[in-house]
Amino acid sequence: DAKTTQPNSMESNEEEPVHLPCNHSTISGTDYIHWYRQLPSQGPEYVIHGLTSNVNNRMASLAIAEDRKSSTLILHRATLRDAAVYYCILREGGYQKVTFGIGTKLQVIP
Amino acid sequence: KAGVTQTPRYLIKTRGQQVTLSCSPISGHRSVSWYQQTPGQGLQFLFEYFSETQRNKGNFPGRFSGRQFSNSRSEMNVSTLELGDSALYLCASRLAGGSSYNEQFFGPGTRLTVL
Repeated sequence: DAKTTQPNSMESNEEEPVHLPCNHSTISGTDYIHWYRQLPSQGPEYVIHGLTSNVNNRMASLAIAEDRKSSTLILHRATLRDAAVYYCILREGGYQKVTFGIGTKLQVIP
Repeated sequence: KAGVTQTPRYLIKTRGQQVTLSCSPISGHRSVSWYQQTPGQGLQFLFEYFSETQRNKGNFPGRFSGRQFSNSRSEMNVSTLELGDSALYLCASRLAGGSSYNEQFFGPGTRLTVL
């Protein structure tokens, strides 16, 4: 299974943009890049996903490198509610041993 | 539409006992996955069920097992509990497994403490 590498923690000031990086150098051509986040005392929730092109939704943007070996989750204006652990995972459409790992703990400073 | 529900929310057991956790997926979702979350290991995949069949399994010992019923509800069982099994057990459902991509929706988890 392809693996992802993320920094253990990051800090951001409130109302500033946040760029959360993810490396996935062994990604296959059919792997989708997914981002989930886990707020304190909750289960993870879906944020965004993409395959090759950059993606935008109401929560965030996903920038995917041209060679697909890395991606960046962009929160355009961090709020205190965005303080969470962010997970970058790879997944095909089928059945896989999906592992979320440790993720990046984002701290938002007022 | 109701979300993924898990019961019980909290559980305390002693070493050597067994435990059964339950998960009810979102209505219409046919795939259920289970994860174990611990502070040091993050979320680790246990198994995924679709149409009452286990489709994939993570690297856990045989003490961890599961099943899925015809209504898509799922249970996981851990036998001969060990202290290291203390964790948050998360269930996630999605519309379908197989070749269709779809996002997972997680429940709140069951917090298991083994004494």
